[in-house]
Amino acid sequence: AQSVTQPDIHITVSEGASLELRCNYSYGATPYLFWYVQSPGQGLQLLLKYFSGDTLVQGIKGFEAEFKRSQSSFNLRKPSVHWSDAAEYFCAVGAGDSWGKLQFGAGTQVVVTP
Amino acid sequence: SQTIHQWPATLVQPVGSPLSLECTVEGTSNPNLYWYRQAAGRGLQLLFYSVGIGQISSEVPQNLSASRPQDRQFILSSKKLLLSDSGFYLCAWSHTRDRLELFFGSGTQLSVL
Repeated sequence: AQSVTQPDIHITVSEGASLELRCNYSYGATPYLFWYVQSPGQGLQLLLKYFSGDTLVQGIKGFEAEFKRSQSSFNLRKPSVHWSDAAEYFCAVGAGDSWGKLQFGAGTQVVVTP
Repeated sequence: SQTIHQWPATLVQPVGSPLSLECTVEGTSNPNLYWYRQAAGRGLQLLFYSVGIGQISSEVPQNLSASRPQDRQFILSSKKLLLSDSGFYLCAWSHTRDRLELFFGSGTQLSVL
């Protein structure tokens, strides 16, 4: 069965600084990988996804993620953080035959300071 | 465009009372539908999913049930709530073909007291 680990529960970053959120997965085959963002009291919004092809994936809001099979990682990055990026971020992994049964990480809370 | 509606946004219920959360999707037909629960400080746990009217699969045995009386309507229910049922409940849908990409509702914060 697939699993996802987000090692950082909480990250504080200054506005304008770069951000990197870590995600490690465990899955026997090529995984389908996702990053979602959740604002307080809201649902989740898809930032980006990786199914196959180019390992560097561009998403919305200036985010990108890189799939590294050798490290079983799918880290999320943003070169310059805006105050509106303060939210909780979830990495998720799914298998091709698993329908919407995504396995989510526990999330990383991002705080942006002035 | 497709939209998903979930209500109520917030709900406070006493232990032992019934529960009914509703979710509807607009702008698509025959979507796959899902109920997830998010406990504080944890990721999301899939509770139920449905690939069609009347077809419900349960992922976790528990005090809850789900029903899909119409193509784009998904209901989460309980006959008697427990304290442990408290949490943030999210409805989601996906296309039949691209079924791994989920689109989430805004969620319901349920507090059982």
